Amino acid sequence: EPEVTQTPSHQVTQMGQEVILRCVPISNHLYFYWYRQILGQKVEFLVSFYNNEISEKSEIFDDQFSVERPDGSNFTLKIRSTKLEDSAMYFCASSEGPSYNEQFFGPGTRLTVL
Amino acid sequence: KQEVTQIPAALSVPEGENLVLNCSFTDSAIYNLQWFRQDPGKGLTSLLLIQSSQREQTSGRLNASLDKSSGRSTLYIAASQPGDSATYLCAANYRGNNRLAFGKGNQVVVIP
Repeated sequence: EPEVTQTPSHQVTQMGQEVILRCVPISNHLYFYWYRQILGQKVEFLVSFYNNEISEKSEIFDDQFSVERPDGSNFTLKIRSTKLEDSAMYFCASSEGPSYNEQFFGPGTRLTVL
Repeated sequence: KQEVTQIPAALSVPEGENLVLNCSFTDSAIYNLQWFRQDPGKGLTSLLLIQSSQREQTSGRLNASLDKSSGRSTLYIAASQPGDSATYLCAANYRGNNRLAFGKGNQVVVIP
């Protein structure tokens, strides 16, 4: 069964460093998303992406964050200068279409900022 | 504000008992509601998706109902097993945007 994959599973970085989190969405899906979950808190929406551009972003997704689909399969989230409060589990998701379509989530990348 | 609430935060049930998990959402203008399972430190596994036009969805021992007028969804798990121990999240997809708004989850322990 097709699934969303994410690498790495765990990333440890120093404050101020740049990190890139990678995702491979399900191959026939057109909409891509990033969410994050800080330990003990709700899963929060960061950004949605369609047709090579951001379709929606939350207030969390500031200038430190960017997303890219560098080729036909990968979808990346870059954090330019990490802060301690960026430590969280980051989930990538994809769906065939917008809104009323089911979103399928990857296993997540645990980011630890020291 | 478009919020999703799940109460109780945690519950324990003896094996074999039916589980009833509740989810409330503040705005009835939703496209759909999705239930997920999350094991500790793991990703989100989609269990059921209910479109706004549907009243319920079933998959095996799982049944989810949706009452838009009252802003509630309920996930029923029949004849619970220890392997059902996990956190169950509900997420609403509100009209006007393309994001899921999550509840904090119901952490379930099924006691053998």
